[in-house]
Amino acid sequence: QVQLVESGGGVVQPGGSLRLSCEASGFTFSDYGIHWVRQAPGKGLEWVAFIRYDGNNKYYPDSVRGRFTISRDNSKNTLYLQMNSLTAEDTAVYYCAKSDSGTYYGTFDIWGRGTMVTVSS
Amino acid sequence: DIQMTQSPSTLSASVGDRVTITCRASQSFSNWLAWYQQKPGKAPKLMMYKASTLQSGVPSRFSGSGSGTEFTLTISSLQPDDFATYYCQQYNTSPTFGGGTKVEIK
Repeated sequence: QVQLVESGGGVVQPGGSLRLSCEASGFTFSDYGIHWVRQAPGKGLEWVAFIRYDGNNKYYPDSVRGRFTISRDNSKNTLYLQMNSLTAEDTAVYYCAKSDSGTYYGTFDIWGRGTMVTVSS
Repeated sequence: DIQMTQSPSTLSASVGDRVTITCRASQSFSNWLAWYQQKPGKAPKLMMYKASTLQSGVPSRFSGSGSGTEFTLTISSLQPDDFATYYCQQYNTSPTFGGGTKVEIK
């Protein structure tokens, strides 16, 4: 069964840091690019980061570039998102999502259930 | 970035209705467009890719069309399981989503 399971969410103070994890199973993790996508409460979807199958190329939108870092450990079938300098605007459910491509953005064909990040004092 | 604008933002319909959701792009591109369905408290689900290719397991009452700057998702006969929010997403460049269309019961 193809599955992505996120963890690491929680409550963090403004300016703080948090690291999310996403464990994959049921497919050859090292063949595919993986995304992080977030959804603020009651809002739409926002793409946050993408990493190619081999971890050699990483992409971010302007809203998180320089604060967030995506990485992966193919030996552990695990994706990470290091989030620094968090603000209230980063409060959201964070999903990891598998790309249908190893090297290009592609579509988001498998999603995890998400992990909630709340930035609040 | 390519901006994606969906309309309508909310759509009230009855079981059996034919419904169409439109997605407009700020720049023209080929067919690198996907549609997702999301139900409350759940992750989105890929429904369509390359504008008109049905994802495996998705009912044939769903169809997609378009290229350039205008794309549509059509449900030919709305079923109870189809009441949800739908998002378009372009993957021609760094991914961007439309604002969503909530399909609610009339």
